[in-house]
Amino acid sequence: DIQMTQSPSTLSASVGDRVTITCRASQSITSWLAWYQQKPGKAPNLLIYKASTLQSGVPSRFSGSGSGTEFTLTISSLQPDDFATYYCQQYNSSPYTFGQGTKLEIK
Amino acid sequence: QVQLVQSGAEVKKPGSSVKVSCKASGGSFSSYAISWVRQAPGQGLEWMGGIIPMFTSSNYAQKFQGRVTITADESTTTAYMELSSLRSEDTALYFCARGRLGGYDSDFDYWGQGTLVTVSS
Repeated sequence: DIQMTQSPSTLSASVGDRVTITCRASQSITSWLAWYQQKPGKAPNLLIYKASTLQSGVPSRFSGSGSGTEFTLTISSLQPDDFATYYCQQYNSSPYTFGQGTKLEIK
Repeated sequence: QVQLVQSGAEVKKPGSSVKVSCKASGGSFSSYAISWVRQAPGQGLEWMGGIIPMFTSSNYAQKFQGRVTITADESTTTAYMELSSLRSEDTALYFCARGRLGGYDSDFDYWGQGTLVTVSS
């Protein structure tokens, strides 16, 4: 199975900050990577697919980059609604695995 | 607009089985994979398996092989996930999710609201 490792596990930031979350795969997944936002008790919401393509309706302050084994999610200017947990997911091969999550907290 | 609506919360005894449903509306049902993803309390997301309704076979994570059965009924546009031999570690929020792409290898663009399954004696 492909292991997905996110860092950091927790990130404290303020409204207006630029933040970056990293996701590393245990082997190359080319660009088959997605990013999700999840709020407590709710289903995940797809933000980015194929490493860098913004899902329809997602604000442009979210962006993704990377290929192979290293990927990043960047939020250019944090808004109050962005404080949540973020997950990466690889869909290069089954089983489709997720990172352990990054909890973005208000500083 | 695609919507996935799941069945309600369940409380089960250890050793029993649970069957959760996921009713799809809007969009095409038969040609997109429906996957099941679970989340234990305070934990991350775990893909269990999926099905493409127009095909007869399913795709399961090795961890759940032999314990999970995923089926789909095209006539009612409903997918099902049955998990057997339940243990306390299976207590989790279970989500169905639709693959954005046509095959199994996909991210998930539509999700159900989640079904809480509690396993307790």
